[in-house]
Amino acid sequence: QVHLQESGPGLVRPSQTLSLSCSVSGDSITSGNYYWSWIRQPAGKGLEWIGRIYTSGNPNYNPSLRGRVSISLDTSKNQISLNLGSVTAADTAVYYCARDLSGGLGIGIEDAFEIWGQGTMVTVSS
Amino acid sequence: SYELTQPPSVSVSPGQTARITCSGDALSKKYAYWYRQKSGQAPVLVIYEDTKRPSGIPERFSGSSSGTMATFTITGAQVDDEADYYCYSTDNYGNERVFGGGTKLTVL
Repeated sequence: QVHLQESGPGLVRPSQTLSLSCSVSGDSITSGNYYWSWIRQPAGKGLEWIGRIYTSGNPNYNPSLRGRVSISLDTSKNQISLNLGSVTAADTAVYYCARDLSGGLGIGIEDAFEIWGQGTMVTVSS
Repeated sequence: SYELTQPPSVSVSPGQTARITCSGDALSKKYAYWYRQKSGQAPVLVIYEDTKRPSGIPERFSGSSSGTMATFTITGAQVDDEADYYCYSTDNYGNERVFGGGTKLTVL
């Protein structure tokens, strides 16, 4: 059973870079053909897709965050990393990582986020 | 930027049918996905590719899509179904991936 766990600093200063990791257990992030996504949710508000990266690389980002965001795979640690630069209070949110639904032959069904981490709260404040 | 529109709230009595709509210009060409989120928990996928249910999701949960509107339906709603429900989809070019604003379902 695949399990995701987000981790990182709970407090980030304005203008600094937010860095989070998503640790994957139960499978290798390079096995199968899946998209690994980051999604966030400000307190009391809706969900926002941040971006994703495919098993073989090739990230895609939310256009509204392009230029500030990067997502990468750390195969040695079996983790997916998120970096968000020049943060402001508007970036305060719970950050989730997610993997898409397993389809046939180890091919994922993109956009069907089947497996989620529990989320990690990040506050941007001085 | 692309937007998906949901009603902020829907309220039904136990045993009734609850329907939550999601409208977006590209829904006639792109799939809709539905997620349930209970308070303090991560979202759960309940419908994918307009009509399909993941393993473990009750049959009373269903989805449909017609034109630029997708609909999520709970047949025989239960108190335990109370949650926020979000639709999700992409624009025509697959460049923008967005969630709807969410619908709070109340069953009482």
